[in-house]
Amino acid sequence: EAQLVESGGGLVQPGGSLRLSCAASGFTISTYWVHWVRQVPGKGLVWVSRINSDGSSTSYADSVKGRFTISRDNAKNTLYLQMNSLRVDDTAVYFCARGAYYFDLWGRGTLVSVSS
Amino acid sequence: DIVMTQSPDSLAVSLGERATINCKASQSILYSSNKKNYLAWYQQKSGQPPKVLIYWASTRESGVPDRFSGSGSGTDFTLTISSLQAEDVAIYYCQQYYDAPYTFGQGTKLEIK
Repeated sequence: EAQLVESGGGLVQPGGSLRLSCAASGFTISTYWVHWVRQVPGKGLVWVSRINSDGSSTSYADSVKGRFTISRDNAKNTLYLQMNSLRVDDTAVYFCARGAYYFDLWGRGTLVSVSS
Repeated sequence: DIVMTQSPDSLAVSLGERATINCKASQSILYSSNKKNYLAWYQQKSGQPPKVLIYWASTRESGVPDRFSGSGSGTDFTLTISSLQAEDVAIYYCQQYYDAPYTFGQGTKLEIK
């Protein structure tokens, strides 16, 4: 069964850093575009970033550009999101999702809390 | 950025009745070269990740009951649940994947009347 599992979330102070991971199983991630989407608990979905299948092209929401970096290690079947200069308004559940167009597989998410 | 606006924000429908959710894009998301609308609908139940129901505006994902259907083109789209079941209680989101940032609507909360 194809699955995505996020990890790396936690509590961090404003200005701090975290690296999220998204491990794929049951399929080879190297053939897919993958994305990060976040959701403040009780609020809507917000697309954050995407990376193409070979990692040569990335895109970011304006709100995270210059602070977040998406990357992938196809040999490890894993996607990453390096988050620097974290702000209180980055607090959310972060989902990874696959798809070059619509997102047909989502992980269950990892919670990132930014607070002093 | 393409803004996606859903209506209504919340909806209460009786079991067995029809539910209709609308989604409007701030610009056309119909790609002229392939005549496809870059629009998906997702269902998110409490405590779960989103699940795709419909893509290319009207193609039902495998395993999704046929009471779910999508329609529309260009800027105006509709998700219809023909006969509401108890398990359909959820928040529904539309999303455009025409261009980054791949924006979502604000969500429509569907409840049982």
